[in-house]
Amino acid sequence: AQSVTQLDSQVPVFEEAPVELRCNYSSSVSVYLFWYVQYPNQGLQLLLKYLSGSTLVKGINGFEAEFNKSQTSFHLRKPSVHISDTAEYFCAVSDLGSNYKLTFGKGTLLTVNP
Amino acid sequence: SQTIHQWPATLVQPVGSPLSLECTVEGTSNPNLYWYRQAAGRGLQLLFYSVGIGQISSEVPQNLSASRPQDRQFILSSKKLLLSDSGFYLCAWSGQGNSPLHFGNGTRLTVT
Repeated sequence: AQSVTQLDSQVPVFEEAPVELRCNYSSSVSVYLFWYVQYPNQGLQLLLKYLSGSTLVKGINGFEAEFNKSQTSFHLRKPSVHISDTAEYFCAVSDLGSNYKLTFGKGTLLTVNP
Repeated sequence: SQTIHQWPATLVQPVGSPLSLECTVEGTSNPNLYWYRQAAGRGLQLLFYSVGIGQISSEVPQNLSASRPQDRQFILSSKKLLLSDSGFYLCAWSGQGNSPLHFGNGTRLTVT
């Protein structure tokens, strides 16, 4: 069975600063990896996904993530954040052929301060 | 385009009362359907998923059940709610193959 660890429960940053949200996973098989964003009292919105191919994945809202198989990581980055990026971010993993049953991390609350 | 509808948005129910949350998907056929529960600081827990009409898989033993009476309809139910059933419930769908999950806006359930 797979698991996901988001190392930081909260990350405060100032506007226009860069940010990295960390995600590590464990799985005995090849995986798909995802980052979702959740704004208050809303559902989750897909930011980006890694299925195969290039290990650097670009998503919406200027976010990108890099798949590192040797370190079993999929960290999310943005070079310059905005106030509107304040939200909770979830990393998720699914095994190939698992019918897309995702295992989620516990989330990282990103707070962007002016 | 595909859309997912989930209702109600908020619900306050007394302990011991029944529950029915409904989720419908439009613009796609034969989706995989999911119910997740989100508790503060604990991420999302998969409760049920369905790959077709009448096919329900339960991921965790609990006080809840799910049904899929139609291809694009997924219902979460309980006969008698417990305080521990409080939480934010999210419905989601995915297509076949390499298709990610798409979530509804959630239902915040408070059991009093």
